[in-house]
Amino acid sequence: SAVISQKPSRDICQRGTSLTIQCQVDSQVTMMFWYRQQPGQSLTLIATANQGSEATYESGFVIDKFPISRPNLTFSTLTVSNMSPEDSSIYLCSVAGPAGYTFGSGTRLTVV
Amino acid sequence: QKEVEQDPGPLSVPEGAIVSLNCTYSNSAFQYFMWYRQYSRKGPELLMYTYSSGNKEDGRFTAQVDKSSKYISLFIRDSQPSDSATYLCAAYTSYGGATNKLIFGTGTLLAVQP
Repeated sequence: SAVISQKPSRDICQRGTSLTIQCQVDSQVTMMFWYRQQPGQSLTLIATANQGSEATYESGFVIDKFPISRPNLTFSTLTVSNMSPEDSSIYLCSVAGPAGYTFGSGTRLTVV
Repeated sequence: QKEVEQDPGPLSVPEGAIVSLNCTYSNSAFQYFMWYRQYSRKGPELLMYTYSSGNKEDGRFTAQVDKSSKYISLFIRDSQPSDSATYLCAAYTSYGGATNKLIFGTGTLLAVQP
């Protein structure tokens, strides 16, 4: 399985600011996925990031709020923009492999 | 109706017990089924990955998929306190688009008491 490095592991941010989360994979992958896990909830897909094209966002998520970059086949970033306390969640990146989907360790974001 | 339903628990069992975790799903197009273990403050760790119906065993873990009843299960034998975590079931299909969107259940919190 691919090894995913995600950073920062946690952050506390002021409302109205933005945070960029980085995801590095140890092998080239076509698609990378960004998820949100709100407190006590399961994982919800935010968007799918393909290299060389615009990310595809799920219902309820928009590019202005969660811009994504995918500059190459091993790296992606997710930005949480103009944050509010409702954005406090764990954000996870994921890649698909021959044996299922692998997840990073997550970024625990608290907005105050 | 959620596409994947899972009892959130919590489920508490004594050490050494056999644990049965279950999910149901509604989308008959799902082909691939996974179980993840998530420890507190960690990302999900893939435990089992199965395709279509049948059983798959890996050590103390057995995954079962019954597509006729849309039911998936994870059995843990000889449970240990280190198995205490949230267990998430997930499913996806490769039909109908390129995203192969992974749909998760809500997770079951398991506590194995020493």
